[in-house]
Amino acid sequence: KNEVEQSPQNLTAQEGEFITINCSYSVGISALHWLQQHPGGGIVSLFMLSSGKKKHGRLIATINIQEKHSSLHITASHPRDSAVYICAVLPLGGNQFYFGTGTSLTVIP
Amino acid sequence: GAGVSQSPSNKVTEKGKDVELRCDPISGHTALYWYRQSLGQGLEFLIYFQGNSAPDKSGLPSDRFSAERTGGSVSTLTIQRTQQEDSAVYLCASSLRDKIYEQYFGPGTRLTVT
Repeated sequence: KNEVEQSPQNLTAQEGEFITINCSYSVGISALHWLQQHPGGGIVSLFMLSSGKKKHGRLIATINIQEKHSSLHITASHPRDSAVYICAVLPLGGNQFYFGTGTSLTVIP
Repeated sequence: GAGVSQSPSNKVTEKGKDVELRCDPISGHTALYWYRQSLGQGLEFLIYFQGNSAPDKSGLPSDRFSAERTGGSVSTLTIQRTQQEDSAVYLCASSLRDKIYEQYFGPGTRLTVT
């Protein structure tokens, strides 16, 4: 059983739409990452969260520690946002991340 | 500044051959991780180096996999007698000792075993 669950697995949106990707996890964590992986495989860390909310440009990430849930929002989506978005959690006291299987986002012009 | 680099970016090898994948972490990062992403699967942890401590090898899938980290910097992941199921993207990440929650990922090496 994966300790990190993401939804949806696949998402297709029209350019300009507001997008939400969800991540739920089952263990206490010290940190959560949202990662972006473009075709070709390179991974970029978008956000590192331990509480609250962070915003960078059109991207917003929130986390609710009590509910063990995080969301990644993309406002005014654009075709260049098309990628796989991966949630990763670092369990309390742990030294390795556990990863969700990713959400594949396609934004259509 | 320079990020985490990996080489080669792509590697095609025949079943049964040995391969070596290289990772250059960010200068000053004492923690180094190897992850694997098989086709259609999520990322999975392979091995973790932290300074001069014994590495955490708990994620290595078989004894055909090994990794070294020389001089506390560059790391090499070696896969012996490669099998088709070893085909995957191998990712390296590094972090500061006291910030393992803030890992920086390399671009990955795509390994294809034919």
